[in-house]
Amino acid sequence: ETGVTQSPTHLIKTRGQQVTLRCSSQSGHNTVSWYQQALGQGPQFIFQYYREEENGRGNFPPRFSGLQFPNYSSELNVNALELDDSALYLCASSLYREITDTQYFGPGTRLTVL
Amino acid sequence: AQKVTQAQTEISVVEKEDVTLDCVYETRDTTYYLFWYKQPPSGELVFLIRRNSFDEQNEISGRYSWNFQKSTSSFNFTITASQVVDSAVYFCGRWYSSASKIIFGSGTRLSIRP
Repeated sequence: ETGVTQSPTHLIKTRGQQVTLRCSSQSGHNTVSWYQQALGQGPQFIFQYYREEENGRGNFPPRFSGLQFPNYSSELNVNALELDDSALYLCASSLYREITDTQYFGPGTRLTVL
Repeated sequence: AQKVTQAQTEISVVEKEDVTLDCVYETRDTTYYLFWYKQPPSGELVFLIRRNSFDEQNEISGRYSWNFQKSTSSFNFTITASQVVDSAVYFCGRWYSSASKIIFGSGTRLSIRP
């Protein structure tokens, strides 16, 4: 059973650019959540996808968008990058979207916006 | 409010000492779930425990133990006979049912000195 993987590991962009981060869920998991973790802070929920549809969203602007594919891999897209978008972006997958299910996290993508 | 507070920003102890990490949460819900995750330097969050609000029994897993007290809204984590490998940032979290997301505290950085 493979774990959650994310790519790329690190990324440097300039303000105003667009970025796509990728996540491959743990085998058999149909739910994926994305979190933003600023330096020295706890992760903040961005959104969750369940079977290719958005299932919940945190307090992030529309320039943060996502996709989930039939194989349950996922993308996080951020448009018009701002300096404050610099953070570790974590993807987490779970077998179900239910409250009782455990979320398993990937190693994250470190995004730096200059 | 739906906050999770980890008042201890950093803790440093000598190996083999016991250490307790505090977590206080806010909730208006009668049913909720609490979590602890460990984040080593590699970045990925490692699941440690999930506890539901109806189960107030303390839990022990090897050197780890958790004390859940609804009366004080606390869910504290104790490491007995700490080891250098326990050095990490530890996050406490609460499940927010309306959006299937975890609200995390700001974390406690634990350093175990040899």
